[in-house]
This record gives sequence, C-alpha cells and structure tokens, in this order.
Amino acid sequence: AQSVTQLGSHVSVSEGALVLLRCNYSSSVPPYLFWYVQYPNQGLQLLLKYTSAATLVKGINGFEAEFKKSETSFHLTKPSAHMSDAAEYFCAVSLRGGSQGNLIFGKGTKLSVKP
Amino acid sequence: DTGVSQDPRHKITKRGQNVTFRCDPISEHNRLYWYRQTLGQGPEFLTYFQNEAQLEKSRLLSDRFSAERPKGSFSTLEIQRTEQGDSAMYLCASERGAGNTIYFGEGSWLTVV
Repeated sequence: AQSVTQLGSHVSVSEGALVLLRCNYSSSVPPYLFWYVQYPNQGLQLLLKYTSAATLVKGINGFEAEFKKSETSFHLTKPSAHMSDAAEYFCAVSLRGGSQGNLIFGKGTKLSVKP
Repeated sequence: DTGVSQDPRHKITKRGQNVTFRCDPISEHNRLYWYRQTLGQGPEFLTYFQNEAQLEKSRLLSDRFSAERPKGSFSTLEIQRTEQGDSAMYLCASERGAGNTIYFGEGSWLTVV
C-alpha cells in the first residue's frame, strides 16, 4: 500500500530564508509524486510533479523538489521565502498506470513566514 | 480561480438531512474526481469519473454517499442521512485526459449540526 509522511506539521521561517518541507513516501512500485499548495479556504494548486524524467523537478513560484529513490524522499525547497508563501503544503503520491488523480496525500505542513 | 466550480461553497445541515453538492469541471475535461478533507488532514480520494462512467470508488464512500455525472459534464455528490462525522470540505477536481494537470475547485464546506 502507498503512503506519504510529511515531517513537521508546522514550519516557520524568516522572510528570505531557505524553505525545506520534507516528504517521504512508501510505494511498492515507482510512483508519481506531487506537491500541492493550499491557501486558506481555497482548493489545492499544483506546485510541481515528478513522473519519470529528471529527478530534480522545478515548479511554480520558485519551488523545486528532488526525487531520491534511495531515501524514498521528495522534499520541497525554495531558496528564499516570501511572505506570500505562507500556506499549507501537501505532498501526494499516485500509482503509475493508475489514474494520476487518485492521489494519496500527506497530512500537510503549514508554512509560516516571519517578516 | 482554476475554472472548476463548486456549489454551494458552504452548507450547514442538521444531522439526518440529505445534502447535495455540485461540481462543474473545466470544459472538455473528461475526468472528474471527488475528495474529502477534514480539519488537519490531507484530502482523501472518494471517487472518480471518466466521462459519465464512475471508474473508482474509495471504501470511504459508504452507501450513504452517491455520486453521478449523468452527461459527462457536471457531477453531483449526495450524502444521505448526514452524520456529524461527515463534516468536512468536499473537493472536486478535473483533468483533461490521463497524465495531465489536475485542477481543484475551491471546495464545498459541510457542517453537520
């Protein structure tokens, strides 16, 4: 069975500091991996996804994530945090060969950005 | 605004009542998904349609829940005999064929009192 673990339910950084949100997955077969962002009272917006090409994936708003098979990780980073990055971030996994929309989400990490 | 519309955005209902949510996907998106998100949790997959066919259903979708997509366009999610545990945000998402970006609506909040 697939699962996703996001380490840290809350992360706080200063504006301009590095953002690192951790995600580890469990899957019996190579999965597709995703990061979504959710602003208060809104739906989810796709930041980036890994399907099978380059292991370093670049997304919107300056975010990127690196797929590390040996560590079963897909951590999200951004070199310099901006106040507008404050939101909740979800890592998700889906099975190859299945519907990419049948996603298993982690519990989320709420990012706070201090001025 | 992603183009996926959900209605109503908020619904407060008494326990035991039936509620229905509607989702209008992005035009020409043949795949439509329903998720449920409770406070402090990530979204959980409920069901998925390709055109009008319901292809997958989660075990979370008890017999009190029913979803339809009669003409392959909009979809409805009905919850019968609501329980307090049904209080959650119900998210709809759509996709233009397999392997494309999935777009989520803003969700429909349900509070059962």
